[in-house]
This record gives sequence, C-alpha cells and structure tokens, in this order.
Amino acid sequence: SQQGEEDPQALSIQEGENATMNCSYKTSINNLQWYRQNSGRGLVHLILIRSNEREKHSGRLRVTLDTSKKSSSLLITASRAADTASYFCATDEKGAQKLVFGQGTRLTINP
Amino acid sequence: DGGITQSPKYLFRKEGQNVTLSCEQNLNHDAMYWYRQDPGQGLRLIYYSQIVNDFQKGDIAEGYSVSREKKESFPLTVTSAQKNPTAFYLCASSSGDRDHQPQHFGDGTRLSIL
Repeated sequence: SQQGEEDPQALSIQEGENATMNCSYKTSINNLQWYRQNSGRGLVHLILIRSNEREKHSGRLRVTLDTSKKSSSLLITASRAADTASYFCATDEKGAQKLVFGQGTRLTINP
Repeated sequence: DGGITQSPKYLFRKEGQNVTLSCEQNLNHDAMYWYRQDPGQGLRLIYYSQIVNDFQKGDIAEGYSVSREKKESFPLTVTSAQKNPTAFYLCASSSGDRDHQPQHFGDGTRLSIL
C-alpha cells in the first residue's frame, strides 16, 4: 500500500533557487520522514517530524506538517547541484510496525 | 564505520533459479526490512523483521522468502515463483522504537533476468 503521494513527480530548477515538494497521506500517523536517494544508491534519512510538531529545520531543509490536511512539505533553500536526487516521504502509521513510502519527487538542479 | 552492507551489487538470475541477496548490519538494530524498487517508483515492502527468529510479510511477499537467525543478518531469497524479479532491492534497518524509527539503508542489489 502506498500512503504517501508526492507532488510534483519531477521538478527542475536553477541552482540557487528554492525547491518545494509536497506529500499527502491518508491515515493517522506517529511521524513523517523525508529521505533522499541519489541515482543507483540507497535512501538517506533527512528529517523526521512528529505528529505534534508543525515545522522543523535542519540546515537548508525546512519541513512542515499539517495533520488536519494530512500533508507535509519539504523546502530546500539555496539549492545546489549536489541536491539533485529523488526525495521520498514516508509515514509511520499509528498501529503499524513499518514505514509506508511515497512514489518520490525527482529533483534536478541545473547549474 | 557502522552501516548496512548489501551484496552482491549486481545479480543475474536464470529461469527456474533461486537467488539469495545478502544484507548485514553492524548498527545493533533490532528491526530489518527488505524493499523492492522498480524504475521511477517508490519502495514496496517485501518482508520485515522486528526481532531475531521472527519476521512478517509485507505488501508483496509472494515469490520471496527470508530468515532472521542472527541479529546482524537478514538474507532475502528470490524464488523461481517470483515471475518478474527484475528490480532494485534495498535492505534497511532501524532501532525498532515504534515512535522514532529512521531507517538506515544499504546501497542495494540490482537483480536482472538472464
């Protein structure tokens, strides 16, 4: 089952611009996590936001969570070429013992 | 360094053959997971294990089998019953704490059919 739906599926921006990706989900969650995947590699955990949090920052990353709308967004500020990757949201559903991943957003940063 | 090691990086399977993908972690994590990723897609859960000698089916377990005899190891066998095995397979582990479980991933095994 794929709970997280991400939007857009692909995003291409110029270096230095900000990138925003969105994730929607369907059920109650304990937390929501964002991961990055470089081509041909495994996923790397970026940030976790709990259901009772509304915003969280980590370096150039800002994540928001709106549990009333069942949605989250990931903002990458001042993008760099090295940010080119796929980004996935994953939800930790209440009562479940597993994460459910979205389909991902492919981000391309053009120099 | 602590981490997850998957091997081999590339694997080819012949018709009717079972193949086993290795996953080893030295993070002292209780929970381990196997995912399948098809091109341009997200991750689909195959099997997971919260503790040694116990594992549960995920969303797409048919045609796959696992074992968890040691905390560090969670091998995945792709059996001949899996008719479309070509995919990128990812192994992950986590501390198993239900409310805080960032997963650490290996670098995957790419399986193809000969």
